[in-house]
Amino acid sequence: GQQVMQIPQYQHVQEGEDFTTYCNSSTTLSNIQWYKQRPGGHPVFLIQLVKSGEVKKQKRLTFQFGEAKKNSSLHITATQTTDVGTYFCAGRGLIFGQGTTLQVKP
Amino acid sequence: DTGVSQDPRHKITKRGQNVTFRCDPISEHNRLYWYRQTLGQGPEFLTYFQNEAQLEKSRLLSDRFSAERPKGSFSTLEIQRTEQGDSAMYLCASSLGLGGHRYEQYFGPGTRLTVT
Repeated sequence: GQQVMQIPQYQHVQEGEDFTTYCNSSTTLSNIQWYKQRPGGHPVFLIQLVKSGEVKKQKRLTFQFGEAKKNSSLHITATQTTDVGTYFCAGRGLIFGQGTTLQVKP
Repeated sequence: DTGVSQDPRHKITKRGQNVTFRCDPISEHNRLYWYRQTLGQGPEFLTYFQNEAQLEKSRLLSDRFSAERPKGSFSTLEIQRTEQGDSAMYLCASSLGLGGHRYEQYFGPGTRLTVT
């Protein structure tokens, strides 16, 4: 069945450093969604990418969808302590990766 | 509060018992999703409905699991003959839905199931 893999599983950064998480699918995706889950919370929608090669920005967050629509990335510039949490990609909005947990040291 | 609500928030049950969870979606959302999440993992898709129709069900889903959305509003997820491996957080989400287009999902707080 369809699988979505995310790397790295964990990332510890100093506040102000950049952070990137990568998402790879075994099959071509019609779309990909990104969610953030704070400790003890539920996933919260960040963005959806649909087009091949699409790039979207939300303030310090940059999301990319690969040309082949089989991979995606989320890049955070100059991390802040409020960025702490686990970031998930979801292929077709249904098949979630295992997530990347971001810890930010102040 | 007009978000997604789930009941109960916590459930402890003995192995072999049946349990049922309820999800009330955002009122104008026609799609409703069920996921299971264990510690350190992403949400695992179980099934989703568009209105009252169950459109997709995970092939990994045991036949002990069944979900309904009889009137296209709230949904129930039943697990029969629970096993210790069923212990997890059960998440419900809802969204708008039109054709094959995907919309953002709004998640509820989840029901934490512990099977002893």
